[in-house]
Amino acid sequence: AAGVIQSPRHLIKEKRETATLKCYPIPRHDTVYWYQQGPGQDPQFLISFYEKMQSDKGSIPDRFSAQQFSDYHSELNMSSLELGDSALYFCASSLGAASEQFFGPGTRLTVL
Amino acid sequence: TQLLEQSPQFLSIQEGENLTVYCNSSSVFSSLQWYRQEPGEGPVLLVTVVTGGEVKKLKRLTFQFGDARKDSSLHITAAQPGDTGLYLCAGDDQGAQKLVFGQGTRLTINP
Repeated sequence: AAGVIQSPRHLIKEKRETATLKCYPIPRHDTVYWYQQGPGQDPQFLISFYEKMQSDKGSIPDRFSAQQFSDYHSELNMSSLELGDSALYFCASSLGAASEQFFGPGTRLTVL
Repeated sequence: TQLLEQSPQFLSIQEGENLTVYCNSSSVFSSLQWYRQEPGEGPVLLVTVVTGGEVKKLKRLTFQFGDARKDSSLHITAAQPGDTGLYLCAGDDQGAQKLVFGQGTRLTINP
């Protein structure tokens, strides 16, 4: 069965640079969620979209923005990167806003 | 934000033993999910429990949702080295879409 696709899987950036992470949800899923997981920590919710509209917002820095496109894929844009942004970034998708979430393999972002 | 407390945080046992992992909260959740995560990979959904008192079995894994929907447990029978991994419980935060996770239980099964 098709799963959530994230790209790139690994990304290395310098401080103050920008990064764009992409997420392709499971086919027919209309809701996308972004989570950040630091080393040894549990995933922390950043933001979610349902039917291309932002539906919930968590601890997402103002330097980050995200959107969901007409084909339901989503992009997380990160600017003015800081060392502390180094983490695993997961995208999850669900069918409907209150359904089980299925996670992608993640993007490992390293900020040098 | 509702909090989920998982215990133990680390568990190392011998192959063939049984174990239980707990996920507790003072808040009520409409559902709880259990995930397993390998290093550097995304959490993989194992089960979702929705009804208070519900018990679900997945081969040697038994999941239970407390009657009050504030806690859950994962019991593994006859653990095998392939069960090694990070187990995370997660619940919907006050009925919202976002999930709040427990700290995780890092399980090691020794041959």
